[in-house]
Amino acid sequence: QQQVKQSPQSLIVQKGGISIINCAYENTAFDYFPWYQQFPGKGPALLIAIRPDVSEKKEGRFTISFNKSAKQFSLHIMDSQPGDSATYFCAASKSIGSARQLTFGSGTQLTVLP
Amino acid sequence: DAMVIQNPRYQVTQFGKPVTLSCSQTLNHNVMYWYQQKSSQAPKLLFHYYDKDFNNEADTPDNFQSRRPNTSFCFLDIRSPGLGDAAMYLCATSGRGLAGINNEQFFGPGTRLTVL
Repeated sequence: QQQVKQSPQSLIVQKGGISIINCAYENTAFDYFPWYQQFPGKGPALLIAIRPDVSEKKEGRFTISFNKSAKQFSLHIMDSQPGDSATYFCAASKSIGSARQLTFGSGTQLTVLP
Repeated sequence: DAMVIQNPRYQVTQFGKPVTLSCSQTLNHNVMYWYQQKSSQAPKLLFHYYDKDFNNEADTPDNFQSRRPNTSFCFLDIRSPGLGDAAMYLCATSGRGLAGINNEQFFGPGTRLTVL
């Protein structure tokens, strides 16, 4: 059962454009929603994250929009740059005993054309 | 720099030949996680350690085992690798904050396993 659905699978934007990636979740036990950026041959790196009591969070060119009632959240990358070309994973986190469990979306391969 | 280190970065093994992957951390984090990431897929949690307590995901095959001899090191053992076990294996850690274990997980660079 895929608990976090992510779209689109791939995205091509021009330099300076806006990249938008969408995710939806099912389990209301999730209480933290991070986005990870992964370059080829590297591990995922935390980009930005949001809690469900906040509707929007902005860090530089990256913004998360969160809709708790719809159980949806999205990543907006403003002024996209070729260096942003990577795979982006949304994720949802919940407690598992004394630790935290991350459930990832299926990923979006972003290509920013120069 | 505090970090999560994985060795080796690339590992080639033969079908059925046991293999061990290594993870070490200088973050002094309580929790260490192992994920499997197949090509063009999302990372999938295999198991985690909270200190010395081992927690297996329900769908992790018995072929996968783990050891954590101390806070800094954690090992992933694949007893009899099959062709379907070829993947990137990611180690991650998270530490304790004021409200319990922090949400953020710090990932290592991964070990790419090839099974011949």
